[in-house]
Amino acid sequence: EVQLQQSGAELVKPGASVKLSCTASGFNIKDTYMHWVKQRPEQGLEWIGRIDPANGNTKYDPKFQGKATITADTSSNTAYLQLSSLTSEDTAVYYCTRWLLWYFDVWGAGTTVTVSS
Amino acid sequence: DIQMTQSPASLSASVGETVTITCRASENIYSYLAWYQQKQGKSPQLLVYNAKTLAEGVPSRFSGSGSGTQFSLKINSLQPEDFGSYYCQHHYGTPYTFGGGTKLEI
Repeated sequence: EVQLQQSGAELVKPGASVKLSCTASGFNIKDTYMHWVKQRPEQGLEWIGRIDPANGNTKYDPKFQGKATITADTSSNTAYLQLSSLTSEDTAVYYCTRWLLWYFDVWGAGTTVTVSS
Repeated sequence: DIQMTQSPASLSASVGETVTITCRASENIYSYLAWYQQKQGKSPQLLVYNAKTLAEGVPSRFSGSGSGTQFSLKINSLQPEDFGSYYCQHHYGTPYTFGGGTKLEI
């Protein structure tokens, strides 16, 4: 079964960094693009960026440039999202999702990041 | 960057009614548009891709239309399980912007 298993909820202090993971099963992440999406409480979906795990090439929404870093480890079939210099604006659920040619077909359950002192 | 403007932001309807959600792109995105449904506390689920192709397993009461800059998602004969939020999203080049969402209350 094709699945994306995301890491657990994080409570982090302002100014800190956090690294979220997304481990794929049932498929090889090298065969696709992996994306990350942000959703603040009671807000809409925001596309953060994506990575081509086959070569490490990344693309980001400009508003997340400098905030988010997406990486991938093909040996563990895992994609990562690192968020730096965290503020309350980064409190959100972060989803990883697989891009299948025309759409996002598989989503992780989401990781809740809470930024609080 | 391409902006996606979705309307209405919220919608209240009754079971059996027909509703339409619209999505407007700031420039021509041809048919590179998908629609997703999201239930509270859950991950989004694909409904329609390439503007009008229904995803596998999606009931036929859902339909997508449009191309270029104007798109719509129509839900015929609303069912109780159709409540939730709906998002359009383009993939005509990065960034893959989502619309602001439509919250549908039954």
